[in-house]
Amino acid sequence: ATQMTQSPPSLSASVGDRVTITCRASQDISNDLGWYQHKPGKAPMLLIYAASSLQSGVPSRFSGSGSGTDFTLTISSLQPEDFATYYCLQDYNYPWTFGQGTKVEIK
Amino acid sequence: QVQLQESGPGLVKPSETLSLTCTVSGASISPYYWSWIRQPPGKGLEWIGFIYARGNTNYNPSFGSRLSMSIDTSKNHFSLKLTSVTAADTAVYYCARHQTTGRWLQWDYWGQGILVTVSS
Repeated sequence: ATQMTQSPPSLSASVGDRVTITCRASQDISNDLGWYQHKPGKAPMLLIYAASSLQSGVPSRFSGSGSGTDFTLTISSLQPEDFATYYCLQDYNYPWTFGQGTKVEIK
Repeated sequence: QVQLQESGPGLVKPSETLSLTCTVSGASISPYYWSWIRQPPGKGLEWIGFIYARGNTNYNPSFGSRLSMSIDTSKNHFSLKLTSVTAADTAVYYCARHQTTGRWLQWDYWGQGILVTVSS
């Protein structure tokens, strides 16, 4: 199975900060990667698909980049509603696999 | 507005079968792909498998022969069955829709999840 190594596991940041989360795949996954925001008790929400395409309705402060094995999610200016856990998901190789998550907390 | 709602028992005894249903409202179940995902307490997300509206399936091999999925287009819902459960199957179970955009998948709608506890 393709292992997705996500880092950091957690981070503390302030409103207005630029935040970067990375995912590294154990093998080439082209750009078949999505990023999801997950808040406790809520449904996960798609932010980015195809590594860099912004999902409709998602604020433009979220962006994604990368291809092959290395991927990045960037939040350009962290807002109060962005405190959550973020996951990457590769759907290139079966079984599809998630990163372990990055919990973004308030500093 | 598309909504997905998981339903089923919140408590299952060890060695028994976990059965969940995801009911879709606001959209037809065809012609999309539908996945089940789970999150054990304190752990990350794990993809369980998907079913297509025509009944094609793809399962995570880690579940072996314990897993089956089905779909009922007349009722606009799909289901998961996991046999011989153990405490390791305790998790929040989510259903999700993914549609194709070009050659990529958009996992655009998810249910809120249902906690299933395996315990005697």
